[in-house]
Amino acid sequence: DAGITQSPRYKITETGRQVTLMCHQTWSHSYMFWYRQDLGHGLRLIYYSAAADITDKGEVPDGYVVSRSKTENFPLTLESATRSQTSVYFCASSDLGGGDQPQHFGDGTRLSIL
Amino acid sequence: AQSVTQLDSHVSVSEGTPVLLRCNYSSSYSPSLFWYVQHPNKGLQLLLKYTSAATLVKGINGFEAEFKKSETSFHLTKPSAHMSDAAEYFCVVGGSQGNLIFGKGTKLSVKP
Repeated sequence: DAGITQSPRYKITETGRQVTLMCHQTWSHSYMFWYRQDLGHGLRLIYYSAAADITDKGEVPDGYVVSRSKTENFPLTLESATRSQTSVYFCASSDLGGGDQPQHFGDGTRLSIL
Repeated sequence: AQSVTQLDSHVSVSEGTPVLLRCNYSSSYSPSLFWYVQHPNKGLQLLLKYTSAATLVKGINGFEAEFKKSETSFHLTKPSAHMSDAAEYFCVVGGSQGNLIFGKGTKLSVKP
């Protein structure tokens, strides 16, 4: 089925470890986004990508790294995880850019850092 | 800069009664506004979108929202709540970077 898939759905790791969250979409959308959702903050943008090999920072990029070698994949890496990065992470995509375009969301990855 | 404020963190209604979820926005230009719904352990689903056409926007599952420029509001309503409407609802404004800027969410509870 077409859609946007995130893996893993749940992850527990320790501080200092590297962890990569995967995002795969089958629509061939140009734009992809990573958000984190925390109680009392709604969703905040971490990084986004307008096309393969084009990425840019969002509101809260510190401690995260992204890459986009293929249009359909947009992995998010925490190079040295910290407890403050415990959160629910959502990947999203849209066909066109611009703040007037709705985005399609995956089901999220719940990440706990001990 | 764009921002949204959801005026209630939690709303509780009885099944069959109307739903009103309140949202005020701030934008330096004519905004694009959205409402998304999030059911437990799921991603966000688009309910409806406003992009400067009709001020009354109809969405899925019987929801609608009215854009009021004079009040900078975009409240979400539904005439009759169902149990399946229990979820968290996010008011969203389009950002200048092509991103979406989310409110902090309103949790809707529906009592039988």
